Amino acid sequence: QSVLTQPPSVSAAPGQRVTISCSGSTSNIGKNYISWFRQFPGTAPRLLLFENNKRPSGIPDRFSGSRSNTSATLDITGLQTGDEANYYCGSWDNSLRVVVFGGGTKLTVL
Amino acid sequence: EVQLVESGGGLVKPGGSLRLSCSASGFTFRNAWMSWVRQAPGRGLEWVGLIRGRADGGTVDYAAPVKGRFIMSRDDSTNTVYLQMNSLKSEDTGVYYCTTNVGEDCTSGTCYIVSSLAFHWGQGALVTVSS
Repeated sequence: QSVLTQPPSVSAAPGQRVTISCSGSTSNIGKNYISWFRQFPGTAPRLLLFENNKRPSGIPDRFSGSRSNTSATLDITGLQTGDEANYYCGSWDNSLRVVVFGGGTKLTVL
Repeated sequence: EVQLVESGGGLVKPGGSLRLSCSASGFTFRNAWMSWVRQAPGRGLEWVGLIRGRADGGTVDYAAPVKGRFIMSRDDSTNTVYLQMNSLKSEDTGVYYCTTNVGEDCTSGTCYIVSSLAFHWGQGALVTVSS
């Protein structure tokens, strides 16, 4: 069982918007930045958002993030079939002194 | 361009040992925080350990499942980080990714170096523990 909780799957139609949640606690999301990662099948994960809501170069502004108390969300607008992937949230946990990840959310674009 | 290249993966029997290497380039290595993240077949991401850069004392933290069995180290002269894996178990099977916290924040229009969790990832090395 992961320290950060994500829904196992989400789905939406092309062009629509989807939100992926990540729930934690005061020792991780409540005190530290959250990062989001995207992984296509058979490939290495890649950073999607860092410091809660910043995009690395090359990530389009269709991807945005927010954090409130002990939860975070990843928003994807203008969904494309190419967005189908697994999405993970991650953060440092002050109490456990480890990096914690969510269990991952599989996005299906119908 | 940041590059992380893992090597040393392979098949090993339970109880055996294996050492992974990660060769880094494209950034200032000596102060970079480096982590290993693994992924069992069909499962999610699991953090393995972290070694801090020279400026932060080079200290190491490990995930509970590997503490006492795995050892992370670094060689700043060759820009390489290592993961020595001992007393391997079948549940250690998976792809092991090398990551670095070093990245660039260009959101303001001017780019500057930042340190953020797993900013860059290697392509991964497959470790299979089986008899």
